[in-house]
Amino acid sequence: QQQVKQSPQSLIVQKGGISIINCAYENTAFDYFPWYQQFPGKGPALLIAIRPDVSEKKEGRFTISFNKSAKQFSLHIMDSQPGDSATYFCAATQRGATNKLIFGTGTLLAVQP
Amino acid sequence: DTGVSQNPRHKITKRGQNVTFRCDPISEHNRLYWYRQTLGQGPEFLTYFQNEAQLEKSRLLSDRFSAERPKGSFSTLEIQRTEQGDSAMYLCASSALGQGGYGYTFGSGTRLTVV
Repeated sequence: QQQVKQSPQSLIVQKGGISIINCAYENTAFDYFPWYQQFPGKGPALLIAIRPDVSEKKEGRFTISFNKSAKQFSLHIMDSQPGDSATYFCAATQRGATNKLIFGTGTLLAVQP
Repeated sequence: DTGVSQNPRHKITKRGQNVTFRCDPISEHNRLYWYRQTLGQGPEFLTYFQNEAQLEKSRLLSDRFSAERPKGSFSTLEIQRTEQGDSAMYLCASSALGQGGYGYTFGSGTRLTVV
């Protein structure tokens, strides 16, 4: 299966709160899981990524948690700020000849001041 | 600007017309991808070039779609006999060989509206 399922579809968080977005995949051949941030009128921009041999990766306020046995991974945004308001996409790829990305359906995050 | 450049940013066309989009990747990137993104959805893979060779095409890329990357530099995506269902954002991305999904840089896209 090539699908990556993402939830929730939308999320409202107060400034300073924690935003959590979840994704699940079926294809066990996937070996790279990036998260992208997209602002209106712009293309997606890489935020943070993880490989399945690691259970957690943290970069600043952004953390990916990865559960290989459950085939799930999540993005946590700590101390959420209004500037974080954007659409977030999880993705997966099987690194190889093409490295094409399979994207989730996106989560629209609104951080209220 | 050393990012991925896409032109035009917006295109409105009548059903049945042909349209062509251009993508200028980051100069040292030999991998180039086209994706399509409809409202409320994630980008969907259309096609992949390594240098000038088109190595993979999605089933989404019907016979009305054609993509080229002459000399391994810029790329064009042409849609013939456009249909209303073609209305979407067309995204181009590039990366260097070996960087995999990590090295992707997306352009800002071309938004196509078919009326």
